[in-house]
Amino acid sequence: DAKTTQPPSMDCAEGRAANLPCNHSTISGNEYVYWYRQIHSQGPQYIIHGLKNNETNEMASLIITEDRKSSTLILPHATLRDTAVYYCIVRAWANAGKSTFGDGTTLTVKP
Amino acid sequence: GAVVSQHPSWVICKSGTSVKIECRSLDFQATTMFWYRQFPKQSLMLMATSNEGSKATYEQGVEKDKFLINHASLTLSTLTVTSAHPEDSSFYICSALGTGLNEQYFGPGTRLTVT
Repeated sequence: DAKTTQPPSMDCAEGRAANLPCNHSTISGNEYVYWYRQIHSQGPQYIIHGLKNNETNEMASLIITEDRKSSTLILPHATLRDTAVYYCIVRAWANAGKSTFGDGTTLTVKP
Repeated sequence: GAVVSQHPSWVICKSGTSVKIECRSLDFQATTMFWYRQFPKQSLMLMATSNEGSKATYEQGVEKDKFLINHASLTLSTLTVTSAHPEDSSFYICSALGTGLNEQYFGPGTRLTVT
């Protein structure tokens, strides 16, 4: 699986959009970008995934650059409950379930 | 969405004893389950992969005789920490991959403290 690079921490004001970047310059053509988050002392929660097109669901939007070497997770209206560690993972579809977690980005939403 | 439970949510045990942690897929059948360990302020580390009815595959550096994994049914996998020591104190998280599904669902985790 390709390696990812994320900033260690970010702050965001409540109600504003949180934009979390991820670099994955060695991504292969068959690898997907997945995002999970982990709220303190809980198991990770799936957020969204994509291959090359931008994706949106009820939780977030995922923007993948045309060259697929980076992506951005967007939480459109961050709330205090969105404070968590966000993990960007790149893996092939065939490796479903065997996610390798990096250090992630600690997002702190402030009132 | 698919739900994975773990039991217990936290456990304290004495050094030298064994502890069993259960991971259940509640509304789907999980052919494959994964066990992770997470130390404070660190990321999740995959310990082992278990497939129903077969032996688990352990990641490098994980002692298979210390961390016994049993995946006897399509909805239950267990992790037994044998002869636990304080350095085994950690947050243990399981995830399950459903038959026909291509996404892993995580349990809420089990906090183990060995005194």
